[in-house]
Amino acid sequence: DAGVTQSPTHLIKTRGQQVTLRCSPISGHKSVSWYQQVLGQGPQFIFQYYEKEERGRGNFPDRFSARQFPNYSSELNVNALLLGDSALYLCASNRGVRDEQYFGPGTRLTVT
Amino acid sequence: GQQLNQSPQSMFIQEGEDVSMNCTSSSIFNTWLWYKQDPGEGPVLLIALYKAGELTSNGRLTAQFGITRKDSFLNISASIPSDVGIYFCAGQLSSNDYKLSFGAGTTVTVRA
Repeated sequence: DAGVTQSPTHLIKTRGQQVTLRCSPISGHKSVSWYQQVLGQGPQFIFQYYEKEERGRGNFPDRFSARQFPNYSSELNVNALLLGDSALYLCASNRGVRDEQYFGPGTRLTVT
Repeated sequence: GQQLNQSPQSMFIQEGEDVSMNCTSSSIFNTWLWYKQDPGEGPVLLIALYKAGELTSNGRLTAQFGITRKDSFLNISASIPSDVGIYFCAGQLSSNDYKLSFGAGTTVTVRA
């Protein structure tokens, strides 16, 4: 079975621009979470969606938003990009409440 | 997010050695997970722990959920070169909290 897929793999944007990152969960998984990983640190939680509803939000500004579609895929949007938004953005999926989260390969975002 | 203290920050291994790393927190966690991340890739789940005192193995890897529910450790026995990478502990506060809190990681490198 295919794992979590993310697109694009790499992205370069300039300050002030907007970006949309995409994630497809493992087949049968209804929950998608987004994490930001800055170089040298562990992933930081941004959002969690389950059955198309937001179930959790981390300590990130309102410039970050997300949504989940009927097929359980998800998009993460970041507006008004800052240099500090440069990071690896990871998507993880799991079946439901107490199941393990499985991560995709990530999208490397560079803001110049 | 919750503070997870992971140690050591880095370690050197020699093929055949046993290595150990641990993770502590001031908060009580419901679930502990251990991930391995290779450069340019997403974290890969190694072991998941759900009960205090639980000891779980996955091949040469063994992890334990501390009795106080505030710590966990990971052992790698008879290390091989492909064990090189960054190991992260992650905790989940409750069964209704999908968010994972990550440690800063332990970087494992082969000793020349």
